[in-house]
Amino acid sequence: DTAVSQTPKYLVTQMGNDKSIKCEQNLGHDTMYWYKQDSKKFLKIMFSYNNKELIINETVPNRFSPKSPDKAHLNLHINSLELGDSAVYFCASSQDAATSGGLQETQYFGPGTRLLVL
Amino acid sequence: AQSVTQPDIHITVSEGASLELRCNYSYGATPYLFWYVQSPGQGLQLLLKYFSGDTLVQGIKGFEAEFKRSQSSFNLRKPSVHWSDAAEYFCAVAPSRAGSYQLTFGKGTKLSVIP
Repeated sequence: DTAVSQTPKYLVTQMGNDKSIKCEQNLGHDTMYWYKQDSKKFLKIMFSYNNKELIINETVPNRFSPKSPDKAHLNLHINSLELGDSAVYFCASSQDAATSGGLQETQYFGPGTRLLVL
Repeated sequence: AQSVTQPDIHITVSEGASLELRCNYSYGATPYLFWYVQSPGQGLQLLLKYFSGDTLVQGIKGFEAEFKRSQSSFNLRKPSVHWSDAAEYFCAVAPSRAGSYQLTFGKGTKLSVIP
C-alpha cells in the first residue's frame, strides 16, 4: 500500500485556470506538508498542517490555498494559474513532534505531481 | 535559520567505484540530518537520518553517512556504486527542538554512473 499518495501525477493546464492537487497519507501521521520543486530541482516548503491546523505558511502567493479536511488529507488548490507555477509539487507527512517525544520526525514523501502551465 | 550546502552539483563515477557526496549545514545547535534520493521522475525516498548517538549512520541500499560536528558536515558514502544508484541526492536538516517542523533541503547533487 502506498503510504503517501498524490493525484493527479501529471497536470497540464492553461494559464488562468484553477486546479487542485490531492494528497492522502495512510501512516496515521498528524502533520502534512506541501513542497514545491522548481526546474532546478530545488525543494522548498510551502505549507504545513498539524491536526488540520496551519502551522507553516511560507511566502507563497495567496493564489495557493491548502485545505485539510481531516488528518489524513491535505489538498492544494491553486487559483489563476501562472506560467511560473509550473513545477513538481510534493506532499509529505510526519508524526507530530509533540506526540513523538518532541523530536522532528522523519518526513515521508509522495510521488509528486508534475504541473505544467501553458 | 538553518541552511544546507551541497557543494557538488553533478558527480560522475564508474560503476563499482566508491562514492562520497558532501553536505554542510549551518545551524546554531546540532540539527536533525537526513539524506533523500530522487530517481528520475520519482518522489523522494529516505536513505538515512541522524538524530543523535552514533555519528556513523547506516541507511538503505548500502549507503552510510557520518556526522562530524566540528566540520558541520554530514557526508554520504557508498563503497561500491551500482548503475541503479544514478539519481539526485538531497541533504536536508531540521531544527532539533520540539514543535519544529521546518525541513530545509540542499540544492541536490546529481549522480551519474558510468557502466
